[in-house]
Amino acid sequence: SAVISQKPSRDICQRGTSLTIQCQVDSQVTMMFWYRQQPGQSLTLIATANQGSEATYESGFVIDKFPISRPNLTFSTLTVSNMSPEDSSIYLCSVGTGGLGYGYTFGSGTRLTVV
Amino acid sequence: GQQLNQSPQSMFIQEGEDVSMNCTSSSIFNTWLWYKQDPGEGPVLLIALYKAGELTSNGRLTAQFGITRKDSFLNISASIPSDVGIYFCAGQIKGGGADGLTFGKGTHLIIQP
Repeated sequence: SAVISQKPSRDICQRGTSLTIQCQVDSQVTMMFWYRQQPGQSLTLIATANQGSEATYESGFVIDKFPISRPNLTFSTLTVSNMSPEDSSIYLCSVGTGGLGYGYTFGSGTRLTVV
Repeated sequence: GQQLNQSPQSMFIQEGEDVSMNCTSSSIFNTWLWYKQDPGEGPVLLIALYKAGELTSNGRLTAQFGITRKDSFLNISASIPSDVGIYFCAGQIKGGGADGLTFGKGTHLIIQP
């Protein structure tokens, strides 16, 4: 299965600033997905990032707050803009993997604390 | 949006016991997946289910895709200390990797020696 590297692994940021999270995959993938996991909670899909087109955002998430880039088939970034303490979460990227079947591999996540 | 109702929320068991957890939904999903998440890590795929009625095993783990496509269960037999963690069910509506996943709220498994 694909190997995902996410950077940074954690960060502490001041409110009002922005943080860009990088996701690098060791193989070419069509779709990449970004999730948010709030403290003690489950994962929620933020958006789907396709190479060569704009990301598709889920209800409750907007491009101005979470701009996404997908410049090629192995890389994507998620920016958390104008951060507030409510943005403190783990942000994870994910890609589809599999041959006959289909599963999803996740990166280790970026643990963001906004102070 | 779609929701997955996962139960139980937490389980306190003795080492060696069997474990069972399940997920239900009011919506149909075409793929059901079960993940385990350890602290500080991303979820790791345990079992993937692609057809209604499918029963799949992975070592001590067994999972089934409900016949109505609205539910799934995961069983762990003869639990061991490394089974401790959070288990999530996840569903995909379209299937085939065309869309992202909807996650259940998780089951915290705690094993007492």
